Amino acid sequence: GAGVSQSPSNKVTEKGKDVELRCDPISGHTALYWYRQSLGQGLEFLIYFQGNSAPDKSGLPSDRFSAERTGGSVSTLTIQRTQQEDSAVYLCASSPDNNNEQFFGPGTRLTVL
Amino acid sequence: GQNIDQPTEMTATEGAIVQINCTYQTSGFNGLFWYQQHAGEAPTFLSYNVLDGLEEKGRFSSFLSRSKGYSYLLLKELQMKDSASYLCAVRDPTGFQKLVFGTGTRLLVSP
Repeated sequence: GAGVSQSPSNKVTEKGKDVELRCDPISGHTALYWYRQSLGQGLEFLIYFQGNSAPDKSGLPSDRFSAERTGGSVSTLTIQRTQQEDSAVYLCASSPDNNNEQFFGPGTRLTVL
Repeated sequence: GQNIDQPTEMTATEGAIVQINCTYQTSGFNGLFWYQQHAGEAPTFLSYNVLDGLEEKGRFSSFLSRSKGYSYLLLKELQMKDSASYLCAVRDPTGFQKLVFGTGTRLLVSP
């Protein structure tokens, strides 16, 4: 079946602009995660959604970052007033529940000029 | 806090065996994962350990010692396609939620 998909695959933006990154999880997966991977760094947890529960936002680096998950499926990660240090690959993952293997999407490479 | 340590880079020869170590310091423990990530691609699941011992899956095996905070990934009969980054991740014990990743070990397999 279809895996996790993300769009766009690449995004180049100017400092100060807002960007939206989209994640389509595997159908039926209730858990959805956003991670960030900067050059030379490990994957950094950003936010987690599980069903209708309140999301775990503990990894969001600043209030410029926010995420939504509509209808328990598609998720959007929004970064406002982008900064150069936001440049990274943003990875989305989903799992059948919160106690299983996570399946990753191909990521969105964000470059802030 | 939590800390995951892995070597940055390793090299090995095609057909050989390589062991990639991972040590972790966490306030609790709820499972350790190994992922493979080829350059420019998504991480893909390799193994999961929650109890002490060795889990074998084809050419890949993963070992866990919870008392030592230590795991390793063993790759046998190396192939060129095994050149990739190998990510060690510990599951956050506070809520069965996020994974805490190490920086990954870049493995280069040469002919």
